[in-house]
Amino acid sequence: GNSVTQMEGPVTLSEEAFLTINCTYTATGYPSLFWYVQYPGEGLQLLLKATKADDKGSNKGFEATYRKETTSFHLEKGSVQVSDSAVYFCALSDRYGQNFVFGPGTRLSVLP
Amino acid sequence: GAVVSQHPSWVICKSGTSVKIECRSLDFQATTMFWYRQFPKQSLMLMATSNEGSKATYEQGVEKDKFLINHASLTLSTLTVTSAHPEDSSFYICSAPPPAGRGLTDSYEQYFGPGTRLTVT
Repeated sequence: GNSVTQMEGPVTLSEEAFLTINCTYTATGYPSLFWYVQYPGEGLQLLLKATKADDKGSNKGFEATYRKETTSFHLEKGSVQVSDSAVYFCALSDRYGQNFVFGPGTRLSVLP
Repeated sequence: GAVVSQHPSWVICKSGTSVKIECRSLDFQATTMFWYRQFPKQSLMLMATSNEGSKATYEQGVEKDKFLINHASLTLSTLTVTSAHPEDSSFYICSAPPPAGRGLTDSYEQYFGPGTRLTVT
């Protein structure tokens, strides 16, 4: 079945540092890929998405590129802020929005 | 944008009692909704798929008699935790796919509710 693997956390960075959170997936067909963010005590919010190979999703300074050849969707941000402290989930769904699968999540803490 | 709400946002109940959690799609109709469970510092685990007008589909290992799901209308799904016990304490999150015609269906994303934190004492 489909699966998503993320780098183990927690990740602790200083403000303005560069962020990379690795995500790789296993799926049949052509899944859509997502990054969701969960702030403390809240539900999940869509951060960015990509629906086909070589698509780049971007939002709020975060970027991720759908790499079919390496089955990866790594999240990056050039300069993190304290307000970016949250848990980040990589996820995929099939072409019909079914079979949503989440990675284990990566907790990010940004220190001032 | 499309919004999914949950009520209550948190609840504390005594062991042996039942608790109902509501999930509503606020400005769109959802024939399908999903219920997830999230343990502390862990990822979301799909519990069941709620289908309007028919029985829910449960994931393997989820007790359907313990987690009752009712999708009585196109905007409301409820999850009832029956005879709750401390091990049922968790964060429960619902989601719904965007409706057709919203222009977002090519991304097949899910809209998530804010979650309900259940604590059973």
